[in-house]
Amino acid sequence: DIQMTQSPSFLSASVGDRVTINCKASQNINRYLNWYQQKLGEAPKLLIYNANSLQTGIPSRFSGSGSGTDFTLTISSLQPEDVATYFCLQHNSWYTFGAGTKLELK
Amino acid sequence: EVQLVESGGGLVQPGRSMKLSCAASGFTFSNYGMAWVRQAPTKGLEWVATISYDGSSTYYRDSVKGRFTISRDNAKSTLYLQMNSLRSEDTATYYCTREGLRASDYWGQGVMVTVSS
Repeated sequence: DIQMTQSPSFLSASVGDRVTINCKASQNINRYLNWYQQKLGEAPKLLIYNANSLQTGIPSRFSGSGSGTDFTLTISSLQPEDVATYFCLQHNSWYTFGAGTKLELK
Repeated sequence: EVQLVESGGGLVQPGRSMKLSCAASGFTFSNYGMAWVRQAPTKGLEWVATISYDGSSTYYRDSVKGRFTISRDNAKSTLYLQMNSLRSEDTATYYCTREGLRASDYWGQGVMVTVSS
């Protein structure tokens, strides 16, 4: 089974900061990596699919990069509405999720 | 607007059964595979089961094989998860997801299942 290691688990940042979240796969998953945002009490929302493609309707401050085993989600300028938990999903071989990153405002 | 609304959760005793439903709207349900994903309290997300667009193919994680059955009614745009022989480790929030070329692109808000005596 493919394992996904997500870091950091918690992140505190200020409005306007550049924020990065990482996911590392235990083996090559090509670009089959999605990023999601989940706000408290809401359904998870797809932000980035296939490592670097922005889902329709998602602000351009969100971007994804990486291939193979190492992936990054970047928020270029943090906004108050970005407070949420973020998680990755590999869909190269079945599905495995990262453990999540809780993003808070400093 | 794509909407997925789960129902049917609650408290159930170990060894008993429960059936979850997911009502879909805002898209042509019969064109998409669907899946269930769960998250136990304080734990990470884990994939549970997937069904093809026409119901002809189903896939399960090992820990639920033989106990859970995923099914769908395309005429009613509804996805189901029949859960039998429930265990305490099945306690989780269960999410229904739409499966397309982008993997899980839409999620419901989830329904809580608590297995306890």
